[in-house]
Amino acid sequence: GIQVEQSPPDLILQEGANSTLRCNFSDSVNNLQWFHQNPWGQLINLFYIPSGTKQNGRLSATTVATERYSSLYISSSQTTDSGVYFCAALNFGNEKLTFGTGTRLTIIP
Amino acid sequence: EAGVVQSPRYKIIEKKQPVAFWCNPISGHNTLYWYRQNLGQGPELLIRYENEEAVDDSQLPKDRFSAERLKGVDSTLKIQPAELGDSAVYLCASSLSRNSYEQYFGPGTRLTVT
Repeated sequence: GIQVEQSPPDLILQEGANSTLRCNFSDSVNNLQWFHQNPWGQLINLFYIPSGTKQNGRLSATTVATERYSSLYISSSQTTDSGVYFCAALNFGNEKLTFGTGTRLTIIP
Repeated sequence: EAGVVQSPRYKIIEKKQPVAFWCNPISGHNTLYWYRQNLGQGPELLIRYENEEAVDDSQLPKDRFSAERLKGVDSTLKIQPAELGDSAVYLCASSLSRNSYEQYFGPGTRLTVT
């Protein structure tokens, strides 16, 4: 099946800083999603982005399918951005959404 | 619109006891998934339903785990008997169809087996 790797595993930033989270995947994808898992464990959908670029407020994401990576950008970080960010990918051959191991983001006031 | 609903949110049981988790997907979503998330890891798929049919249960430990989705809406995941290693968060997700792959997750059930 598809392999998904995320980096960095941990990121500690001061409030107001910008951050870039990276997701590499081993095969072509038909679905790529970014999630934020909050401290209560809820997985919140951020982006559905198998290709291209999307923006939602302070967050944006880019997937370059030909180079098999996706990036999540967070600008002007807030303490509420803290949590674990997961990238998950799926291709038609496997039809199984495979998650990376996540990036734990901590925003310090 | 209501999201994916799961109950209970927390469950503590002794090993060898049975346990069941319930999921109500987003209205109109034909595809339903059960995932297990161990501490410090991403969720892993246990079973996928297309309407009433279980189309991928390759990761479900069938000796002790069972699932059903009667009438193609709500689903129940059962473990009998539970083992210490089953302690994890059990997540339910749904998507509109297998051709519309964005998945939406419920809040999960945190199971602790003592």
